[in-house]
Amino acid sequence: DADVTQTPRNRITKTGKRIMLECSQTKGHDRMYWYRQDPGLGLQLIYYSFDVKDINKGEISDGYSVSRQAQAKFSLSLESAIPNQTALYFCATSDPDSNQPQHFGDGTRLSIL
Amino acid sequence: AQKITQTQPGMFVQEKEAVTLDCTYDTSDQSYGLFWYKQPSSGEMIFLIYQGSYDEQNATEGRYSLNFQKARKSANLVISASQLGDSAMYFCAMREGEGAGGTSYGKLTFGQGTILTVHP
Repeated sequence: DADVTQTPRNRITKTGKRIMLECSQTKGHDRMYWYRQDPGLGLQLIYYSFDVKDINKGEISDGYSVSRQAQAKFSLSLESAIPNQTALYFCATSDPDSNQPQHFGDGTRLSIL
Repeated sequence: AQKITQTQPGMFVQEKEAVTLDCTYDTSDQSYGLFWYKQPSSGEMIFLIYQGSYDEQNATEGRYSLNFQKARKSANLVISASQLGDSAMYFCAMREGEGAGGTSYGKLTFGQGTILTVHP
């Protein structure tokens, strides 16, 4: 089983709809992140969380919200989806040790029509 | 200001040859880490190699090595003996040092990536 699981893997929806992307992890990491990747570009940080009581905005948080329901679960919501939010979304976790990489889920491909 | 710069949008290499993917970075922190990830066409992010700012030796992981030049703020990835399966997008990323109270949270800043194509 994957250490970081994202659901759904693919989603097509319409403008104005509310969308929730879910992430769960079995690595026991406190730190979790949501990134967005636009075609042909690098990843940009949307939100990150140090623990269940700690939520922080990243570079591109407008139009998004998150919920850290438990140490293992971190959800990303698009309250009213718009076409330019069409992208590949990644959840990641990390250990506090600075030499450890972030562990990524397989991504959610989101298309907003 | 861009913190991670990958100047090569695309690179081509012949199978079994070596290739270097460039990465330069900008930070005022003394403690930071540099990472390389591979993203095949299927989309997942695969961790390849890590270099800490205080590491005296260049990191190596199998066919991957990191040419770390701290004074020049560069962290180039070298792939030796390229294989067809190496064709993918490659990202350089930086994690800056933990500030007081751990405020950096281990956030990664990514470059825009380099698409590597390996020819048979």
